[in-house]
Amino acid sequence: AQKITQTQPGMFVQEKEAVTLDCTYDTSDPSYGLFWYKQPSSGEMIFLIYQGSYDQQNATEGRYSLNFQKARKSANLVISASQLGDSAMYFCAMREPSSASKIIFGSGTRLSIRP
Amino acid sequence: DTAVSQTPKYLVTQMGNDKSIKCEQNLGHDTMYWYKQDSKKFLKIMFSYNNKELIINETVPNRFSPKSPDKAHLNLHINSLELGDSAVYFCASSLKQGVTGELFFGEGSRLTVL
Repeated sequence: AQKITQTQPGMFVQEKEAVTLDCTYDTSDPSYGLFWYKQPSSGEMIFLIYQGSYDQQNATEGRYSLNFQKARKSANLVISASQLGDSAMYFCAMREPSSASKIIFGSGTRLSIRP
Repeated sequence: DTAVSQTPKYLVTQMGNDKSIKCEQNLGHDTMYWYKQDSKKFLKIMFSYNNKELIINETVPNRFSPKSPDKAHLNLHINSLELGDSAVYFCASSLKQGVTGELFFGEGSRLTVL
C-alpha cells in the first residue's frame, strides 16, 4: 500500500534562509513518481517539482530542489533563499503505476516565512 | 484561458439536498480526477476517469456519483448531502496514466452543508 509521510505540521523560517520540508514514502513498486505541490492561502494547488524513481539526478526548478534519497525513501523539498510569498501549505505526493496511477498526498506542512 | 475550471466555486446548502459540481479541462488530457480536501487540509482521492472510463473508485459513499460525458468533462453529483460532506472539492487532470505527468488542479469548489 502507498504511504506518504510529512512529519512537520508547521515550520517557521526567517526570510532569505533556506528551508527543507521532509517527506518519506513507502512503496514496493520499483517505478514511481514523486511530486511537490504548494497551496497558498488563496487555495489553489500549484505544482512545484517532480522526481522519477529512476532519475539519476535530483530534480531542480528555480529555487526548488528535491533531495531524493532512494534507499531511505525520502524526497525532501529544499527551498533556497525563502521569500514571504513562500508562506503556504506544501504537499508531497506519490504516484505508482500499479495502483492505477493514482496520486496520493501527504498531510502537508504549513510553512510560514518571517520578515 | 483557464486550464481546469470548476463551477460553482462556492456552494452553501442544507442537509439532505442534492448538488452537482462541474469540471472542464481544455488541456487535452486523458485522465481526470476528483479530490476532497477536508478542514485539516488532507487531500484524498475520490474518483478518476481515463478517457471516460472509471479507473479509480475509492471508498466513497454511494451518494457520490461521478459522470464523464467526454474526456474533457468530469462532473460530481452528490445526493442527500450530510454535514460531513462539507469540504473543498478539487477537480484535476493529467496527460495520461503512468508515473510521470503532474496533476493540473482546478481552483476548487467549497461546499458547505448546513
